[in-house]
Amino acid sequence: IAGITQAPTSQILAAGRRMTLRCTQDMRHNAMYWYRQDLGLGLRLIHYSNTAGTTGKGEVPDGYSVSRANTDDFPLTLASAVPSQTSVYFCASSVSPGYGYTFGSGTRLTVV
Amino acid sequence: ELKVEQNPLFLSMQEGKNYTIYCNYSTTSDRLYWYRQDPGKSLESLFVLLSNGAVKQEGRLMASLDTKARLSTLHITAAVHDLSATYFCAVYPGKGAQKLVFGQGTRLTINP
Repeated sequence: IAGITQAPTSQILAAGRRMTLRCTQDMRHNAMYWYRQDLGLGLRLIHYSNTAGTTGKGEVPDGYSVSRANTDDFPLTLASAVPSQTSVYFCASSVSPGYGYTFGSGTRLTVV
Repeated sequence: ELKVEQNPLFLSMQEGKNYTIYCNYSTTSDRLYWYRQDPGKSLESLFVLLSNGAVKQEGRLMASLDTKARLSTLHITAAVHDLSATYFCAVYPGKGAQKLVFGQGTRLTINP
């Protein structure tokens, strides 16, 4: 692993199903973030974590949950997917909150 | 609450021309980042500007920061097609802030 890795790259998901997007970094960054990017709406923050064991809500947290059991991993879970959650999801990390981000390659999720 | 606005949001220009993208922000900050996103790709870091008057250059791109005017500019010199992308600025709100605040992005298209 080099940098920050997201999986899967893309996914088609039936509405109502549960889905976890994975994010792993090997840079020992303290802070991690989940964004969604929709056409015309830019980047919107879903959840963040300043350090292992802590998480916070961003602008659009409803329908999503996160956990940060260790420094490296920051999974994003959709408990019961809805079509409005169709989007491209980016995970990012930074050495400390507010410092420059390194972004993962993204997960393109389609909920049908 | 910090607000970040980019101008213009869309820009179509010809190869060989010069142009400037503007990033205005609403409260004091001394740390600003520029990112580039190619279509269908993730965001990659371009520049970090850490003080008033800071200037960074790479190839045909030059970024500057005026903290008194709360303004950063990204100047493109003699544009080439390869610079077609969406450019985002992101601002650090200040001590204690949990995350960067992103502008809406400027979608730049450079035509032959």
